[in-house]
Amino acid sequence: QVQLQESGPGLVKPSETLSLTCTVSGISMNTDSWSWIRQPPGKGLEWIGHIYYGGSMSSNPSLWGRVTVSIDASKMQFSLKLTSVTAADTAVYFCAGGWASDYWSQGTLVTVSS
Amino acid sequence: EVILTQSPGTLSLSPGERATLFCRASQSVSISYLAWFQQRPGQAPRLLIYRTSHRATGVPDRFSGSGSGTDFTLTVSELEPEDSAVYYCHQHGSTPYSFGQGTKLEIK
Repeated sequence: QVQLQESGPGLVKPSETLSLTCTVSGISMNTDSWSWIRQPPGKGLEWIGHIYYGGSMSSNPSLWGRVTVSIDASKMQFSLKLTSVTAADTAVYFCAGGWASDYWSQGTLVTVSS
Repeated sequence: EVILTQSPGTLSLSPGERATLFCRASQSVSISYLAWFQQRPGQAPRLLIYRTSHRATGVPDRFSGSGSGTDFTLTVSELEPEDSAVYYCHQHGSTPYSFGQGTKLEIK
C-alpha cells in the first residue's frame, strides 16, 4: 500500500532552517503533486507548498518566500526547507501526495526553540 | 487567495442522527477541486470526499458531498460513534491551496 514517512529534526533553533524529507513507497512519484501541510498545536491545517514530478513548485505566499520544496524521484523522496524559523513555525508537519492529497504521512512535531 | 469558511464550528449530535456540514468559499471553486477530510485526535487527516461528491476508497456510503460555486456540503447520515472528529474542506484548484478552519463533530 502507499506509505509516506517524514524524517528530520524535531527541534530547530530560532532563525535556523527547518529541513524535512518525505520518503514515498507503494506509488510512482510521477503522478500528481507532492505537498507539505502543517498544523500548529490545537489549530487547523495550513498548506505550505507542493511540487510536481517535473520540478514545478508552488508555495504559500503567507510564508514570505521562506519555503523550498524539492524532489528526488530516484530516491522516492521530496523535501521541505523552511528558513528563518520562529516559534510560530512550531507545528506538526505532514507530507501528502496524490491528486487530492489522497495519501498522508503520520505527521512529525517540529518545535522551534532555543 | 480562496478563503474557505466552515460552519458550524461545533456540532453535537446523537448516534443515528444526520449531520450537515457547510463550507463557503470566498470565490468560486470548480467542483473538481473541492475535497473533504476527516481528522480524529492524534491522527493524520483522511481523505473522505474528492471532486465535491466522490467518496474515497473505503469511505462508507453514509458520507456524501454536494455543492457548486461557492457553497459546498458534507452530509453524514446515521451517525456512528467513530464519526467523532474534526472535518475540513479543502480547495486545490488555485494556489495557494487552502483549508477551512474545521468543524468539530461530537457524538453524544
